Amino acid sequence: QKEVEQDPGPLSVPEGAIVSLNCTYSNSAFQYFMWYRQYSRKGPELLMYTYSSGNKEDGRFTAQVDKSSKYISLFIRDSQPSDSATYLCAMSPSGDMRFGAGTRLTVKP
Amino acid sequence: GAVVSQHPSRVICKSGTSVKIECRSLDFQATTMFWYRQFPKQSLMLMATSNEGSKATYEQGVEKDKFLINHASLTLSTLTVTSAHPEDSSFYICSARDRQGNNQPQHFGDGTRLSIL
Repeated sequence: QKEVEQDPGPLSVPEGAIVSLNCTYSNSAFQYFMWYRQYSRKGPELLMYTYSSGNKEDGRFTAQVDKSSKYISLFIRDSQPSDSATYLCAMSPSGDMRFGAGTRLTVKP
Repeated sequence: GAVVSQHPSRVICKSGTSVKIECRSLDFQATTMFWYRQFPKQSLMLMATSNEGSKATYEQGVEKDKFLINHASLTLSTLTVTSAHPEDSSFYICSARDRQGNNQPQHFGDGTRLSIL
């Protein structure tokens, strides 16, 4: 079993839809959780960074962490074509990060 | 803030050539930088962890004599692919972590696309 599981998709939604991206993990020592967005032929860009359980909101993006279920989510409201990218979850106990496989998202106009 | 610059963005060269890739943290100091390799439609594969002033730590299966890493300052790490061959063609990405602590997230460069003919 991989430490971090993420459905690679692809996921296709119409513009304006709410997008839900998820990762599960097996290591209960993970405390720091991140979401990165990667456009084609570019490096990943940090979107959200959270510590322990709870919610964090930044504009149209909301990150949720449920440590009891070992489950994290990223919600994108009012999705735009410019949100089309690969979204990677990442997490760490303290230091080394573990990445999910990434979910390819396409938002259609 | 937290900008990482990676250079060059694209390299095309002949088999047997050695290629150096630079990774710079522009607005923060990074005691630790990371080098990844990414194949098409796949996630990041950590190659090595680069620590300022000390030897890099390589992941299992990564040849340290093939992929030379130097981290001579708090803002610069370099990866040299020695005697590159077509199988080394890939997308190489670096990241850097702020020296403030291990809990800081990694910030990535825009990658280097290496093509060996």
